[in-house]
Parts: sequence; structure tokens; C-alpha cells
Amino acid sequence: EPEVTQTPSHQVTQMGQEVILRCVPISNHLYFYWYRQILGQKVEFLVSFYNNEISEKSEIFDDQFSVERPDGSNFTLKIRSTKLEDSAMYFCASSPPGELFFGEGSRLTVL
Amino acid sequence: AQSVTQLDSQVPVFEEAPVELRCNYSSSVSVYLFWYVQYPNQGLQLLLKYLSGSTLVKGINGFEAEFNKSQTSFHLRKPSVHISDTAEYFCAVSDRAGTYKYIFGTGTRLKVLA
Repeated sequence: EPEVTQTPSHQVTQMGQEVILRCVPISNHLYFYWYRQILGQKVEFLVSFYNNEISEKSEIFDDQFSVERPDGSNFTLKIRSTKLEDSAMYFCASSPPGELFFGEGSRLTVL
Repeated sequence: AQSVTQLDSQVPVFEEAPVELRCNYSSSVSVYLFWYVQYPNQGLQLLLKYLSGSTLVKGINGFEAEFNKSQTSFHLRKPSVHISDTAEYFCAVSDRAGTYKYIFGTGTRLKVLA
């Protein structure tokens, strides 16, 4: 069964460093998403991406975040200058459209 | 805009007892509804979903949920829980158009006691 894959599964970085989280959505899906879950809290919507542009973003998704679909298969989330509060699990999802299919997540730890 | 309310942050229940986890939503349009389970340090696992059709939805691990449009609820139930059901449960709502994004509730921690 096709699935969404995310890399890395865990990344540790120093505050102020740039981080790129990568996702391979399910082939033929048209909508792509990033969500964030701070430890012990709920899953929060960050951004949705359709037709090579951001279709919606939350107030969390500020200028330090960016998304890209560089090669038609990968979907990346870049955090430009990480802060301690960026430590979280980041989930990628894709959709045909309709139902979302989630990856296993990338845990980011900022020291 | 949609919203989801899970009023119970924690639900303790004895093994083999029934359980109901409550979820209420708010939306001005028709919705899709979902329940996910998350075990410690793991990802989101889909338990069940309501897209259309029968309002009683059966999912994995013996869970079921009923969509009640008049009460805007989608409560999750299991007739007899096991220790292994101890986990965090999230309800999510999606509108049927726009970006199809999900909005998640704050989660309910189910703790099954021996």
C-alpha cells in the first residue's frame, strides 16, 4: 500500500541552525500538508500546498518557515533559524484530495 | 472555520469495561470526521473515519463511532477495553472542499487500569 515517507525520523540541531525536513507524498496526490505536534500537545496545522503554491497557512507558519516541492516528488519544510520552541514532531500528509494520509513524523530537537 | 472539542483530557477506565470518548465539532459546511490513536513516541494511526453514508462507523481494534449531525458529535466507543488501548486519542474534522485540511482536537488520554 502506498504511504507517505518522511526523513529524517529524528534530528537534533543547535538553536539558530537551519533545518530541512523531507517528505515523499503518495504518488498522484495533489494536496500536501505539514503539521506540528509539540510534546504532549495537540496536532496543529502549519500549511497546505497545492498546484505548486501555498494554499493556506496558519499563524504559526511565519517567515522562518518555508515549503517547497523542488522536484515533483519531494515536499520539504525548511525552518530557517531554529528556536528552542520549534522542538516538536512534524508530520507530513498528502491527499488525493479528500482524506489525508500521514507520514510517521520527523522529531526535531533544538538544543 | 471548523473547530473540534474534546472535553475530556483524561479518561481512566478498568480493563474490560466499556468506554466512550467524546468529540463535538463546529462547522458551517458538511464535514468529514476522523479518530486517530497515538501511542507514546509514535505517529498517528487512523482508527476510523466518516466520509458519507451510514452514521455508525466501525474501525480497527473494536472501536466504533456514531456521527450525529443534529448534535454535531462524533463520539468514539468501545464495548470492552484492553490494557493495550492505553494511548492518546485525537478527533479531527475536515471540510469537504477548500484545502481539505484537518483540524484536530486537543486529545483524550485513555488510561486502562488492570
